[in-house]
Amino acid sequence: DAKTTQPPSMDCAEGRAANLPCNHSTISGNEYVYWYRQIHSQGPQYIIHGLKNNETNEMASLIITEDRKSSTLILPHATLRDTAVYYCIVRVGVSSGSARQLTFGSGTQLTVLP
Amino acid sequence: AAGVIQSPRHLIKEKRETATLKCYPIPRHDTVYWYQQGPGQDPQFLISFYEKMQSDKGSIPDRFSAQQFSDYHSELNMSSLELGDSALYFCASSLTGNTQYFGPGTRLTVL
Repeated sequence: DAKTTQPPSMDCAEGRAANLPCNHSTISGNEYVYWYRQIHSQGPQYIIHGLKNNETNEMASLIITEDRKSSTLILPHATLRDTAVYYCIVRVGVSSGSARQLTFGSGTQLTVLP
Repeated sequence: AAGVIQSPRHLIKEKRETATLKCYPIPRHDTVYWYQQGPGQDPQFLISFYEKMQSDKGSIPDRFSAQQFSDYHSELNMSSLELGDSALYFCASSLTGNTQYFGPGTRLTVL
C-alpha cells in the first residue's frame, strides 16, 4: 500500500473548518484513500473514504486532487470533540477472499481550540 | 447500530502468564482484524481472518496465536507474556474486506 505523508499537528478554532492535508504521491489506480481518527486511547473511528471523486458524509468531506496524489479532509465546523489524531491511509480495494489490513502512519494531531 | 465488542476491556497479567482476548464482530461481518498499539505508538496490524481462515499476517509474535470461530467471533491468545506486550489491542471487523470498523479495545498490562 502507498505511503502517506501528513503534518504532525494542526490547530483549529472551534466553529471553523478544519482542513487536514495528506500526500500520497505513489498511490496506485486501485487504491482508495481512507480517513480514520482516534480520540485518546479509543478505537480508531472511520470517517470517510474515496477513490477519485470527492465524497461527503455527515462527518466530513474528502477532496481528492485530479492526479490523486493528495487529498484533504474537511471538517466543516470543528468542535472540541473533534480533537483527535487523524490518519490518512491508502489501501487497495476489495478483492475476493482478501482482508487487507490498514497501515497506520503517524497521523495529524488536530487540536480544536475554544 | 451494533458495534464491535471486545472483552475484557482491561486485563492485568504477570510476566510469563497467558491471556485471551475476545472480539465479536458487527453482525454479518465475515472478516476480523487484530491490531496492537503500544504506548505513544500508532496501531500496528497483527493478523486477520476472512471466513474463518487466516488471511494476512503482520508483526505478530510467535507467542501469539489467533483464530476465528464458526460464529465469526475471534480470539487472540497470548502466551509467555512479556512487559513489552503491554498495549492496547484493537479488533476491527468488515464485510468481505470493505471498510473496517474498530472496537473499543482491550488494555493489557503486564506486570
